[in-house]
Formats: sequence, C-alpha cells, structure tokens
Amino acid sequence: QTVVTQEPSFSVSPGGTVTLTCGLTSGSVSNSHCPSWYQQTPGQAPRTLIYNTNILSSGVPDRFSGSILGNKVALTITGAQADDESDYYCVLYMGSGLWVFGGGTRLTVL
Amino acid sequence: QLQLQESGPGLVKPSETLSLTCAVSGASISSDVHYWDWIRQPPGKGLEWIATIHYSGPTYYNPSLRSRVIISVDTSKNQFSLRLSSVTAADTAVYYCTRHTRDSGDFSWGQGTLLTVSS
Repeated sequence: QTVVTQEPSFSVSPGGTVTLTCGLTSGSVSNSHCPSWYQQTPGQAPRTLIYNTNILSSGVPDRFSGSILGNKVALTITGAQADDESDYYCVLYMGSGLWVFGGGTRLTVL
Repeated sequence: QLQLQESGPGLVKPSETLSLTCAVSGASISSDVHYWDWIRQPPGKGLEWIATIHYSGPTYYNPSLRSRVIISVDTSKNQFSLRLSSVTAADTAVYYCTRHTRDSGDFSWGQGTLLTVSS
C-alpha cells in the first residue's frame, strides 16, 4: 500500500524560507496526482493553500507557492511569519476517485 | 458563497451506526463539476479521506472503511450524508464535509463536527 509522506516537523526563523515536501513511498509525485496543500491551526478546520501543484487558493498570500521538486511536491513559504506556525497537510489523488492525505508537518516559527 | 454545515449526534455507543449530514448552502449540490466528500481527523492526528459522491450517483470509498461506510446525497434538500456502521473508539474524530471540483484538490471545508464513540 502506497503511503503519502511528509516531514513530521520543521522549523523556520521569522522572515526565512522553508520548503515542506510531500512524497510517495513508492513512485514519484506528478501533476496527475493533483497535489494540494492545506494549513490547519489548532481547533480550526483546514484551509486550502495550494491546489493542483501550484495554483494559489483565493485569498492566500503569494509568499506561499507550490512546485514539483524531484520526485516529490513541495510547498515553499517565503518570508515566514509568526502566524504561519501551523500544521500543513498535503493530499494526492490516487485515481479511481481515491484521495490520500499525508501525515502532516508541524511547522514552528522561531 | 458556499457554506457547508455538518450535523450529527455528537456521541454514539460502540457497535452502533453513526449518521452525519452536511447541509449545503450557497451552491447547488446538483453541480456537474463538483464532488462532495467526508474527511475526518481523530484528536491529535492527521486527516483521513473517507468517501466522495457526485449528485448523479457515483460513489468512492476509502478501501480501509469501505465495508462500513455509505455516502448518499439528497438533492431535494441540498445535502449529503454519511453512515458509518459498527463504530469503535477509533472512529472518534472531527468529521468534515467538503466539496471539491473535478480533477482538482481544491477542497472547500465545513467547520467540522466532533463525534465521540463511548459507552
């Protein structure tokens, strides 16, 4: 069974740049997986940041960006701010109507 | 503007069947390009996709839950529902209803409803 992988945790300094990745235990991530990213703060519903690899969701600041990075997909935050401290989840479309989420990355800004 | 509002019992006993409903406002559930989903998140854990439905009938299920889950749609009420049978403590989670566009991971989220399984 293919698993979607994410770094469990990451830290970034205020104003810094951080790249979170999302991969597969078997194979490479491609645009056909419709890779998408969600931000979630405690007690809140997730918020869509990026969908279909690199499309910025409405209202999301452009310091968030998405790309394919090698055999993974990446979420890059440029100029990290304190309120970027959140959990970040990716999801991949596995075909036949099936979606699989990664385990999430807890980002600390310090 | 799309709004998704989950409703459910809040507490169910082990081995019972849970039923959740998502009321859709600001959009028609009978959209050709949109699909309607349930996603859950156990306390302190990550997100898990459960099921998806299109108003015209096609349904898709997480293989790990397929034997216990039924997703359905009621176009007359502009809502969709989830039934999960034989629940255990492992089914305790916040359940989100969502919408996504065909061929897109652009999910729109409800605020979620906590379902606790306990005797």
